[in-house]
Amino acid sequence: GEDVEQSLFLSVREGDSSVINCTYTDSSSTYLYWYKQEPGAGLQLLTYIFSNMDMKQDQRLTVLLNKKDKHLSLRIADTQTGDSAIYFCAEKYGGSQGNLIFGKGTKLSVKP
Amino acid sequence: EAGVTQFPSHSVIEKGQTVTLRCDPISGHDNLYWYRRVMGKEIKFLLHFVKESKQDESGMPNNRFLAERTGGTYSTLKVQPAELEDSGVYFCASSPGQLMAFPPNYGYTFGSGTRLTVV
Repeated sequence: GEDVEQSLFLSVREGDSSVINCTYTDSSSTYLYWYKQEPGAGLQLLTYIFSNMDMKQDQRLTVLLNKKDKHLSLRIADTQTGDSAIYFCAEKYGGSQGNLIFGKGTKLSVKP
Repeated sequence: EAGVTQFPSHSVIEKGQTVTLRCDPISGHDNLYWYRRVMGKEIKFLLHFVKESKQDESGMPNNRFLAERTGGTYSTLKVQPAELEDSGVYFCASSPGQLMAFPPNYGYTFGSGTRLTVV
C-alpha cells in the first residue's frame, strides 16, 4: 500500500536551520503537504506543494520536492523555540477528495 | 468561522466499555474524515463521509467501530467494546465539496482531536 516515511526526531539550536525529510510512494500524488502539531493542539496545515513544482518558499519555510526520488523536505530557517512541534508529511491518495496518507511525524526540539 | 470541533478532548475508559466521540465539522462542509494516531505511529485514515453517506470506510479497523453522520452535519464515532489497542488520538477533519476545494486542503481543516485512553 501507500507509505510515507520520516525520521522520528530532530534537535536543533535556536537560530539554526532545521531540515525535515520525508519519502513517499504514491507517484500519482498531485499535492504533498506538511502539517504541524503543537502540544495539545490539532493538525495545522503549514504548506503544500504541487507535484509539478520543485520548490516552494513561504517566509521561513522552504519545501523541496524531488519527484524522481519521491523525496520531500521542509526547511525552517532561523528556527525558534516556538517551532518545537511534531511535523507530519502527507500525500493525498485517491484524487482531490481522497484521504491523506501521513508519515509518523518528526518531533522537532529547539534548544535555546 | 468556527473550526472543526471535537468532543470530548480527553476520555479515559476501561476495557470493555463504550465510548462515543463527536465531531462537528465546519458548517457547510460536505466532506468529513476521521483519522487516528496510535502512540508513536502514523496518523491513519479511518473513513470519509460525503454528506451523510460513507464514501470510503476502508480504514476502519474492525466492527467494534461504528461511525455515523445522520443528516450530514455532525458525526459520531462509537467504539464498543473498547480494547487497549484503541488508545490514541482521534482526529476529525472536514472540507468543502469538490467544486469548492481549491486551493487544495486549505479547506481541509482538522479538529484538535480526542485523546482516548483505554485502561
